Amino acid sequence: QLQLQESGPGLVKPSETLSLTCTLSGGSISSSSYYWGWVRQPPGKGLEWIGSIYYGGSTFYNPSLKSRATISADTSKKQFSLRLRSMTAADTAVYYCARLINDFWSSYPTYFDYWGQGTLVTVSS
Amino acid sequence: DIVLTQSPGTLSLSPGERATLSCRASQSVSTRHLAWYQQKPGQAPRLLIYGASSRATGIPDRFSGSGSGTDFTLTVSRLEPEDFAVYYCQQYDSSPLSFGPGTKVDIK
Repeated sequence: QLQLQESGPGLVKPSETLSLTCTLSGGSISSSSYYWGWVRQPPGKGLEWIGSIYYGGSTFYNPSLKSRATISADTSKKQFSLRLRSMTAADTAVYYCARLINDFWSSYPTYFDYWGQGTLVTVSS
Repeated sequence: DIVLTQSPGTLSLSPGERATLSCRASQSVSTRHLAWYQQKPGQAPRLLIYGASSRATGIPDRFSGSGSGTDFTLTVSRLEPEDFAVYYCQQYDSSPLSFGPGTKVDIK
């Protein structure tokens, strides 16, 4: 059974860079069937897709983040990571890592079938 | 970008009743690239439906999805106590992936 676990700081200062890591157990990042991604949810609000990565290195990002996000993967460690630069209070949220199904026809991430439990990141000085 | 709108915002029902949730897209979602998720307080979302009408593994058959184009529906035939939660739709027809704002189903 696949499990995903987020790790990283719970508190980040304004203007700093957030670094989060998602570690897999019971599965492999190196599968052509999946993408791996990040979703966030501000307290009491809805879900926002941040971006996704394929083990071969292809990445897709939400333009709403204005190029502040970078997602990378380390297949040997079974981890993928998110870096989000220039953090502000508006970035305070629960951050989830998740697995997405790969659409083989278009090689594009689709829907999320496994999720981590989420980690709350607060931006405050 | 495809914007998803969900209605109603809140649905107040009793256990055993039927719940009908709507998700409308700002443009046609071709090939039925739409999913539904359930989220309970303090938990991650759980995949219920993909491809507009295919149930995910382990999802009870009281959950069903339908629709095409711009209008999609999630139906819970008979609400169980554990079904009271927030439900989100998500489109994966075009980038960026996007979610609706959610419908909360609470106990009447």
